[in-house]
Amino acid sequence: DVKVTQSSRYLVKRTGEKVFLECVQDMDHENMFWYRQDPGLGLRLIYFSYDVKMKEKGDIPEGYSVSREKKERFSLILESASTNQTSMYLCASSQDGKTYEQYFGPGTRLTVT
Amino acid sequence: AQSVAQPEDQVNVAEGNPLTVKCTYSVSGNPYLFWYVQYPNRGLQFLLKYITGDNLVKGSYGFEAEFNKSQTSFHLKKPSALVSDSALYFCAVRPYLNTGFQKLVFGTGTRLLVSP
Repeated sequence: DVKVTQSSRYLVKRTGEKVFLECVQDMDHENMFWYRQDPGLGLRLIYFSYDVKMKEKGDIPEGYSVSREKKERFSLILESASTNQTSMYLCASSQDGKTYEQYFGPGTRLTVT
Repeated sequence: AQSVAQPEDQVNVAEGNPLTVKCTYSVSGNPYLFWYVQYPNRGLQFLLKYITGDNLVKGSYGFEAEFNKSQTSFHLKKPSALVSDSALYFCAVRPYLNTGFQKLVFGTGTRLLVSP
């Protein structure tokens, strides 16, 4: 089974802090994704990566950056956390190709106070 | 641009009754369609997908979905609901295009509540 793990289930940070969310997948998938999930808005894509050191902006990249130094690891960085970044963050991975489904991690619920 | 609509925020059904969770989509060309389920405090789990072929797709946990091209719909169904099916369900679409990286677009989710 594909396993996608995220470094924290729950995280509380203060406004202005730099926040790192880490994601690791164990199936040698080429593609990795970061989403945020908010009630009534569904999942919105923040960033994705289709190869090591490659990254592309998703629909809502403002206030975020990412890093992919190794194929199995994809990090989301909040440079200066703000209260409007309080959300559930979901990482996913998929094999290359249009027909492959994405596999999700358990999520990190981030609260910024 | 592609989009997905899940017109119902919540669906209520009694255990043992059939259930339907609705999804309509808009996409250029032929779609790839997916259903995911999210249990409380968990990530999304893949349920089923439509790529091509038979319009009725069978997936995990007894769920199935029917692709209807003329109505641009991909409704999720189950003949007999269980209390344990209570969860948040997401429909997603990506277009069949040969160039570029095609993102998966998710609907806003439908909460399914199955009462005993």
